[in-house]
Amino acid sequence: AQSVTQPDARVTVSEGASLQLRCKYSYSGTPYLFWYVQYQRQGLQLLLKYYSGDPVVQGVNGFEAEFSKSDSSFHLRKASVHWSDSAVYFCAASTMATGGNNKLTFGQGTVLSVIP
Amino acid sequence: GPKVLQIPSHQIIDMGQMVTLNCDPVSNHLYFYWYKQILGQQMEFLVNFYNGKVMEKSKLFKDQFSVERPDGSYFTLKIQPTALEDSAVYFCASSQTNYEQYFGPGTRLTVL
Repeated sequence: AQSVTQPDARVTVSEGASLQLRCKYSYSGTPYLFWYVQYQRQGLQLLLKYYSGDPVVQGVNGFEAEFSKSDSSFHLRKASVHWSDSAVYFCAASTMATGGNNKLTFGQGTVLSVIP
Repeated sequence: GPKVLQIPSHQIIDMGQMVTLNCDPVSNHLYFYWYKQILGQQMEFLVNFYNGKVMEKSKLFKDQFSVERPDGSYFTLKIQPTALEDSAVYFCASSQTNYEQYFGPGTRLTVL
Protein backbone atom coordinates (compact mmCIF):
# COMPACT_ATOMS: atom_id res chain seq x y z
CA ALA A 1 0.00 0.00 0.00
CA GLN A 2 1.13 3.54 -0.64
CA SER A 3 2.23 5.41 2.44
CA VAL A 4 4.09 8.46 3.72
CA THR A 5 5.90 8.41 7.04
CA GLN A 6 7.18 11.30 9.11
CA PRO A 7 9.14 9.62 11.88
CA ASP A 8 9.43 12.68 14.12
CA ALA A 9 6.17 13.74 15.76
CA ARG A 10 7.79 16.76 17.42
CA VAL A 11 10.97 18.71 16.72
CA THR A 12 12.28 21.56 18.85
CA VAL A 13 15.09 23.81 17.66
CA SER A 14 16.56 27.13 18.70
CA GLU A 15 16.07 30.19 16.55
CA GLY A 16 18.86 30.53 14.03
CA ALA A 17 19.66 26.83 14.04
CA SER A 18 19.40 24.62 10.99
CA LEU A 19 16.46 22.28 10.52
CA GLN A 20 15.70 18.97 8.89
CA LEU A 21 12.27 17.37 8.94
CA ARG A 22 12.24 13.82 7.69
CA CYS A 23 9.83 12.21 5.26
CA LYS A 24 9.89 8.71 3.79
CA TYR A 25 7.50 7.42 1.17
CA SER A 26 6.48 4.02 -0.06
CA TYR A 27 5.01 4.16 -3.55
CA SER A 28 5.21 2.07 -6.67
CA GLY A 29 7.04 4.24 -9.16
CA THR A 30 7.99 7.84 -8.41
CA PRO A 31 5.23 9.91 -6.87
CA TYR A 32 4.71 13.64 -6.87
CA LEU A 33 5.90 14.94 -3.49
CA PHE A 34 4.83 17.93 -1.44
CA TRP A 35 5.50 19.70 1.81
CA TYR A 36 2.68 21.66 3.40
CA VAL A 37 2.73 23.85 6.51
CA GLN A 38 -0.20 24.51 8.79
CA TYR A 39 -0.10 27.54 11.06
CA GLN A 40 -2.53 27.63 13.93
CA ARG A 41 -6.17 27.93 12.81
CA GLN A 42 -5.21 28.22 9.16
CA GLY A 43 -5.40 25.95 6.16
CA LEU A 44 -2.49 24.00 4.80
CA GLN A 45 -0.14 26.10 2.73
CA LEU A 46 2.09 24.60 0.07
CA LEU A 47 5.79 25.09 0.82
CA LEU A 48 7.25 23.26 -2.14
CA LYS A 49 6.69 20.43 -4.57
CA TYR A 50 8.70 17.92 -6.57
CA TYR A 51 7.54 16.51 -9.86
CA SER A 52 10.77 15.60 -11.67
CA GLY A 53 14.24 16.91 -12.56
CA ASP A 54 16.65 18.50 -10.08
CA PRO A 55 16.24 16.55 -6.83
CA VAL A 56 16.71 19.68 -4.73
CA VAL A 57 13.68 21.95 -4.89
CA GLN A 58 13.38 25.41 -3.44
CA GLY A 59 10.28 26.61 -1.70
CA VAL A 60 9.01 29.67 0.08
CA ASN A 61 10.63 31.32 3.10
CA GLY A 62 14.03 29.68 2.58
CA PHE A 63 12.82 26.09 2.73
CA GLU A 64 14.19 23.43 0.41
CA ALA A 65 13.73 19.70 0.10
CA GLU A 66 15.75 16.94 -1.48
CA PHE A 67 14.25 13.97 -3.28
CA SER A 68 16.13 10.70 -3.02
CA LYS A 69 14.89 7.76 -5.05
CA SER A 70 17.41 5.35 -3.54
CA ASP A 71 16.39 6.28 -0.02
CA SER A 72 12.68 6.86 -0.80
CA SER A 73 12.91 10.14 1.05
CA PHE A 74 11.94 13.79 0.66
CA HIS A 75 13.44 15.59 3.64
CA LEU A 76 12.72 19.26 4.28
CA ARG A 77 15.55 21.60 5.27
CA LYS A 78 16.11 25.16 6.30
CA ALA A 79 19.48 26.74 7.03
CA SER A 80 18.31 29.10 9.77
CA VAL A 81 14.88 28.91 11.39
CA HIS A 82 12.87 31.80 12.73
CA TRP A 83 10.37 31.70 15.59
CA SER A 84 7.59 32.29 13.04
CA ASP A 85 8.38 28.91 11.47
CA SER A 86 6.70 27.22 14.44
CA ALA A 87 3.85 25.21 12.90
CA VAL A 88 2.83 21.72 11.85
CA TYR A 89 4.54 20.40 8.72
CA PHE A 90 3.03 17.72 6.54
CA CYS A 91 4.73 15.67 3.87
CA ALA A 92 2.39 14.35 1.17
CA ALA A 93 2.54 12.32 -2.02
CA SER A 94 0.31 11.56 -4.96
CA THR A 95 0.51 9.38 -8.02
CA MET A 96 1.04 10.70 -11.49
CA ALA A 97 -2.43 9.56 -12.45
CA THR A 98 -4.65 11.47 -14.80
CA GLY A 99 -8.40 11.67 -14.95
CA GLY A 100 -8.92 13.30 -11.58
CA ASN A 101 -7.80 10.28 -9.62
CA ASN A 102 -5.25 12.28 -7.70
CA LYS A 103 -5.63 11.86 -3.98
CA LEU A 104 -2.89 13.00 -1.62
CA THR A 105 -1.47 10.60 0.94
CA PHE A 106 -0.25 12.45 4.01
CA GLY A 107 2.32 11.75 6.66
CA GLN A 108 1.42 12.08 10.31
CA GLY A 109 2.78 15.61 10.54
CA THR A 110 5.68 17.05 12.52
CA VAL A 111 5.10 19.76 15.09
CA LEU A 112 7.96 22.23 14.90
CA SER A 113 8.65 24.44 17.89
CA VAL A 114 11.27 27.17 17.51
CA ILE A 115 12.65 28.49 20.78
CA PRO A 116 13.57 32.19 20.67
CA GLY B 1 -2.09 33.16 -2.81
CA PRO B 2 -5.39 31.55 -3.74
CA LYS B 3 -7.65 30.88 -0.77
CA VAL B 4 -10.18 28.18 -0.03
CA LEU B 5 -12.80 29.06 2.56
CA GLN B 6 -14.75 26.65 4.76
CA ILE B 7 -17.97 27.34 6.59
CA PRO B 8 -18.52 26.83 9.49
CA SER B 9 -15.22 26.57 11.32
CA HIS B 10 -16.78 24.46 14.04
CA GLN B 11 -20.04 22.50 14.14
CA ILE B 12 -21.50 20.60 17.08
CA ILE B 13 -24.45 18.28 16.47
CA ASP B 14 -26.23 15.35 18.02
CA MET B 15 -25.68 11.86 16.66
CA GLY B 16 -28.20 10.97 13.98
CA GLN B 17 -28.67 14.52 12.75
CA MET B 18 -27.70 15.71 9.30
CA VAL B 19 -24.81 18.09 8.76
CA THR B 20 -23.59 19.96 5.70
CA LEU B 21 -20.05 21.25 5.50
CA ASN B 22 -19.47 24.04 3.01
CA CYS B 23 -16.41 24.79 0.96
CA ASP B 24 -15.83 27.86 -1.20
CA PRO B 25 -13.04 26.75 -3.57
CA VAL B 26 -10.68 28.90 -5.59
CA SER B 27 -12.78 30.45 -8.35
CA ASN B 28 -11.20 28.93 -11.47
CA HIS B 29 -10.45 25.52 -9.99
CA LEU B 30 -12.02 22.42 -11.45
CA TYR B 31 -11.09 19.61 -9.06
CA PHE B 32 -12.40 19.39 -5.52
CA TYR B 33 -11.47 17.18 -2.60
CA TRP B 34 -12.45 16.37 0.96
CA TYR B 35 -10.03 15.00 3.53
CA LYS B 36 -10.70 13.86 7.10
CA GLN B 37 -8.39 14.17 10.08
CA ILE B 38 -9.29 12.52 13.36
CA LEU B 39 -7.54 14.15 16.33
CA GLY B 40 -3.97 12.90 16.60
CA GLN B 41 -4.11 10.92 13.36
CA GLN B 42 -3.10 11.41 9.75
CA MET B 43 -5.18 13.38 7.31
CA GLU B 44 -6.92 10.91 5.01
CA PHE B 45 -8.49 11.26 1.59
CA LEU B 46 -12.27 10.97 1.43
CA VAL B 47 -13.36 11.86 -2.08
CA ASN B 48 -12.53 13.87 -5.16
CA PHE B 49 -15.00 15.51 -7.51
CA TYR B 50 -14.74 16.81 -11.06
CA ASN B 51 -17.23 17.94 -13.66
CA GLY B 52 -20.17 17.18 -11.41
CA LYS B 53 -19.08 13.65 -10.59
CA VAL B 54 -17.26 11.73 -7.91
CA MET B 55 -13.99 10.52 -9.43
CA GLU B 56 -12.75 8.40 -6.56
CA LYS B 57 -13.79 7.76 -2.99
CA SER B 58 -12.03 5.99 -0.17
CA LYS B 59 -13.40 3.39 2.21
CA LEU B 60 -13.92 6.23 4.72
CA PHE B 61 -16.55 7.73 2.40
CA LYS B 62 -19.50 5.83 3.82
CA ASP B 63 -22.95 5.55 2.26
CA GLN B 64 -24.10 8.28 4.62
CA PHE B 65 -21.77 10.75 2.90
CA SER B 66 -22.53 12.70 -0.24
CA VAL B 67 -20.93 15.57 -2.13
CA GLU B 68 -22.18 18.05 -4.64
CA ARG B 69 -21.51 21.45 -6.14
CA PRO B 70 -24.78 22.78 -7.47
CA ASP B 71 -24.45 25.53 -10.10
CA GLY B 72 -20.84 26.36 -9.25
CA SER B 73 -21.65 27.44 -5.73
CA TYR B 74 -20.27 25.83 -2.57
CA PHE B 75 -18.76 22.38 -2.77
CA THR B 76 -20.56 20.55 0.03
CA LEU B 77 -20.07 17.44 2.09
CA LYS B 78 -23.27 16.14 3.61
CA ILE B 79 -23.43 13.47 6.28
CA GLN B 80 -26.84 11.97 6.95
CA PRO B 81 -27.17 10.54 9.54
CA THR B 82 -24.07 11.39 11.56
CA ALA B 83 -22.32 8.92 13.85
CA LEU B 84 -19.90 9.43 16.74
CA GLU B 85 -16.97 8.30 14.60
CA ASP B 86 -17.62 11.17 12.19
CA SER B 87 -16.14 13.58 14.73
CA ALA B 88 -13.03 14.98 13.04
CA VAL B 89 -11.67 17.97 11.20
CA TYR B 90 -12.73 17.99 7.56
CA PHE B 91 -10.50 19.77 5.07
CA CYS B 92 -11.60 20.88 1.64
CA ALA B 93 -9.13 21.36 -1.19
CA SER B 94 -9.33 22.46 -4.78
CA SER B 95 -6.97 22.43 -7.73
CA GLN B 96 -6.82 23.79 -11.22
CA THR B 97 -4.85 20.86 -12.52
CA ASN B 98 -4.60 17.48 -11.02
CA TYR B 99 -1.60 18.09 -8.86
CA GLU B 100 -1.28 21.23 -6.74
CA GLN B 101 -4.09 21.32 -4.22
CA TYR B 102 -5.04 24.37 -2.16
CA PHE B 103 -6.56 23.72 1.25
CA GLY B 104 -9.08 25.45 3.44
CA PRO B 105 -8.65 25.88 7.21
CA GLY B 106 -10.91 22.96 8.03
CA THR B 107 -14.25 22.47 9.77
CA ARG B 108 -14.12 20.83 13.17
CA LEU B 109 -17.14 18.54 13.47
CA THR B 110 -18.14 17.29 16.91
CA VAL B 111 -20.86 14.64 17.06
CA LEU B 112 -22.34 14.14 20.54
